[in-house]
Amino acid sequence: KAGVTQTPRYLIKTRGQQVTLSCSPISGHRSVSWYQQTPGQGLQFLFEYFSETQRNKGNFPGRFSGRQFSNSRSEMNVSTLELGDSALYLCASSSGGQGNNEQFFGPGTRLTVL
Amino acid sequence: AQSVTQLGSHVSVSEGALVLLRCNYSSSVPPYLFWYVQYPNQGLQLLLKYTSAATLVKGINGFEAEFKKSETSFHLTKPSAHMSDAAEYFCAVTQTGANNLFFGTGTRLTVIP
Repeated sequence: KAGVTQTPRYLIKTRGQQVTLSCSPISGHRSVSWYQQTPGQGLQFLFEYFSETQRNKGNFPGRFSGRQFSNSRSEMNVSTLELGDSALYLCASSSGGQGNNEQFFGPGTRLTVL
Repeated sequence: AQSVTQLGSHVSVSEGALVLLRCNYSSSVPPYLFWYVQYPNQGLQLLLKYTSAATLVKGINGFEAEFKKSETSFHLTKPSAHMSDAAEYFCAVTQTGANNLFFGTGTRLTVIP
């Protein structure tokens, strides 16, 4: 089985722009979660989508949004980029059961905001 | 509220020595606990998970962890370190009915030849 794929792997944007990141989960997985990883704040949960619906949401401003398509692929969007949004954004997929299912992580998208 | 605390942001061990990475959790409900490893420029890989079955959990690459409710701990151990174990290790917690993981700040393991 192919693993979780994320595109693009690297992005450079300037303040004020918006960005869209893509995540393709493992075939058959219906849950996709997004995490932000920074040196200062560590790994923080952004949101989870299951069957095209947001199931859980972390404590991030509304500039961070996401969606999931019928094929379980997910996108996250960050609008009005700030310098502090520079981070590694990780996507994880799981079969969908809550709590005890292994989440499989992609390699991440490294976003740099100048 | 749930959280995990990892003691020691950096741990160095000699090749062949015992690896011990510490994790303490805080949870108002029975937790699910995980250890993940991250190699440079890669995502996270699950080492092992505790989901209220056996308290001693065996994972991949020779790692294991023991859930101790009385100490609210879930420390990761490996009897003999290998050079390939050098990486960053994250402890994480979630609760029944949720897929949102709360991660510790990570411990960078260095293995000295």
